[in-house]
Amino acid sequence: KNQVEQSPQSLIILEGKNCTLQCNYTVSPFSNLRWYKQDTGRGPVSLTIMTFSENTKSNGRYTATLDADTKQSSLHITASQLSDSASYICVVSAAATGGFKTIFGAGTRLFVKA
Amino acid sequence: EAGVAQSPRYKIIEKRQSVAFWCNPISGHATLYWYQQILGQGPKLLIQFQNNGVVDDSQLPKDRFSAERLKGVDSTLKIQPAKLEDSAVYLCASSHLVRGRIDTQYFGPGTRLTVL
Repeated sequence: KNQVEQSPQSLIILEGKNCTLQCNYTVSPFSNLRWYKQDTGRGPVSLTIMTFSENTKSNGRYTATLDADTKQSSLHITASQLSDSASYICVVSAAATGGFKTIFGAGTRLFVKA
Repeated sequence: EAGVAQSPRYKIIEKRQSVAFWCNPISGHATLYWYQQILGQGPKLLIQFQNNGVVDDSQLPKDRFSAERLKGVDSTLKIQPAKLEDSAVYLCASSHLVRGRIDTQYFGPGTRLTVL
């Protein structure tokens, strides 16, 4: 069964600190993995996207890694800011007839405190 | 470029009433998605259109939900009649293929539905 599991479910950190969010998936055949940031009351916004051959991708203070062998990904946030408070959703796409099948994780809720 | 537009942003109705949501995707995006996001969960795909044809509606509760994308541009999602468990944010997204293989989705702000 295609699944995407994220941990932790929620996280509280102090402003300026680093943190790492985890994503494990059992999606096949794998096409790509994306991390989205979803602010409260808004739609998700793409942070990074990685294909099978990519094992790291950066977007400013966000760095995503991918280990296709163990089917794990992480999102590392450096020097956190108050505006990083949001839900971070891991999304994995599998190739399917007619296009792609997209599986969403439940998200990690990050709270950054001053 | 303009983003995905959705309306209304908020809607409150009583159970057994009907409601409709509208989505205008990014210009040129052939694929359009409707998702249901219940509080504390990730989005769940309801229906996916490629132009004006349905690609995947396997998780759409067809006894009460319907969607159309006439002319392959904007789309409407309807719920009739609504139930309490339909309270959620309804997200619309659109995408185009990048490098021929990557499905990059752009999301609208969503419509928050409350069923009383």
